[in-house]
Amino acid sequence: QVQLVQSGAEVKKPGASVKVSCKASGYTFTTYYLQWVRQAPGQGLEWMGRINPNSGGRNYAQKFQGRVTMTGDTSISTVYMELSSLRSDDTAVYYCARGDTMVDSWGQGTLVTVSS
Amino acid sequence: QSALTQPASVSGSPGQSITISCTGTSSDIGSYNFVSWYQQHPGKAPKLLIYEVNKWPSGVSNRFSGSKSGWTASLTISGLQAEDEADYYCCSYAGSSILTFGGGTKLTVL
Repeated sequence: QVQLVQSGAEVKKPGASVKVSCKASGYTFTTYYLQWVRQAPGQGLEWMGRINPNSGGRNYAQKFQGRVTMTGDTSISTVYMELSSLRSDDTAVYYCARGDTMVDSWGQGTLVTVSS
Repeated sequence: QSALTQPASVSGSPGQSITISCTGTSSDIGSYNFVSWYQQHPGKAPKLLIYEVNKWPSGVSNRFSGSKSGWTASLTISGLQAEDEADYYCCSYAGSSILTFGGGTKLTVL
């Protein structure tokens, strides 16, 4: 079955960077886009961007342009999302999710807390 | 890239039907039949309920159904059950590889 397993919770100081990983299994890694979606405490879902694991092509939400970098390593079926210049309002659960025009499988989420 | 508009909350009694609306623009819902709906229970990851406006993924109950008219999509849940109490999110493709989500609707089963 499809599984997306993310790295563990992180605590970062304002101004720092965080890198979250998402390891895929149960399907051919290069045949599906992987999206990143975040959810601040008590808030809704926010799309951040996506990566094509086959080509490495990336698309980012305008809001995160210049702060987010998504990469992939096909040898270990893993994608990464790095967010820089962290602020307190970046505190959220970050999800990776498989799909293109919709997402059919989600990782368990990674809580990133930004606090001084 | 504005969020789609959903009601903050809806409620219904067991056995009843409810409908959650999701209003977008001509750039997203109005242009594409790529509307999806997700259910999220507290502390859990979202779960896909409906894709491409009205299609069911394997394993999802047909008590959940989707539709679209113009710039507005809708999710209807029939035969409400206690386990349906959750947050519901719509999502639309908006072109240029962009997805946009609604703000979410909290469903209370009375």
